[in-house]
Amino acid sequence: GESVGLHLPTLSVQEGDNSIINCAYSNSASDYFIWYKQESGKGPQFIIDIRSNMDKRQGQRVTVLLNKTVKHLSLQIAATQPGDSAVYFCAESPLNSYKLIFGSGTRLLVRP
Amino acid sequence: GAVVSQHPSWVICKSGTSVKIECRSLDFQATTMFWYRQFPKQSLMLMATSNEGSKATYEQGVEKDKFLINHASLTLSTLTVTSAHPEDSSFYICRQDRGETQYFGPGTRLLVL
Repeated sequence: GESVGLHLPTLSVQEGDNSIINCAYSNSASDYFIWYKQESGKGPQFIIDIRSNMDKRQGQRVTVLLNKTVKHLSLQIAATQPGDSAVYFCAESPLNSYKLIFGSGTRLLVRP
Repeated sequence: GAVVSQHPSWVICKSGTSVKIECRSLDFQATTMFWYRQFPKQSLMLMATSNEGSKATYEQGVEKDKFLINHASLTLSTLTVTSAHPEDSSFYICRQDRGETQYFGPGTRLLVL
């Protein structure tokens, strides 16, 4: 079945600091991973993705790291800004599937 | 700009009534759309995959007779919550893929009284 989170863990960071949000995925057969940002009352917004043949990918202020050995994904946000406050979800997609399986999410709070 | 729209953005209905939620693809023909449900402080759960011109594929535990999906055109998929109950109150989100990129709609907040 699909992964469902029951409670949202919260990460509180000072504005300007770096943020690291972690995610453990469930399916070793997943070959595509995505990080989404969701603001209150809105749909998920794509941040960055990575395929299983990579272990690191960088975007603007964001970096995704993939450790397939321990099925772990992380999102690093550099110089966190108040506008980064949101809930962040990782999602995995099994090989040859259009399905996206979402992780439980982490709420990021940026203190001014 | 937005590539996927949903209507309505929020709806309040009485228990026992049916509610239709629309998901529209803007400037793109989508043969497949996905419907998700999200309860407060929880993650997105895939409900069903909507295929244009054929029956939707439902995830385990999702009642196909309660959540009717119609994908009659390449730009519109509808989700009808039939005989809604308070436990159906949730945030319903559709998703459309264009190439390798996934686009989510803005969501529809349903409150059943």
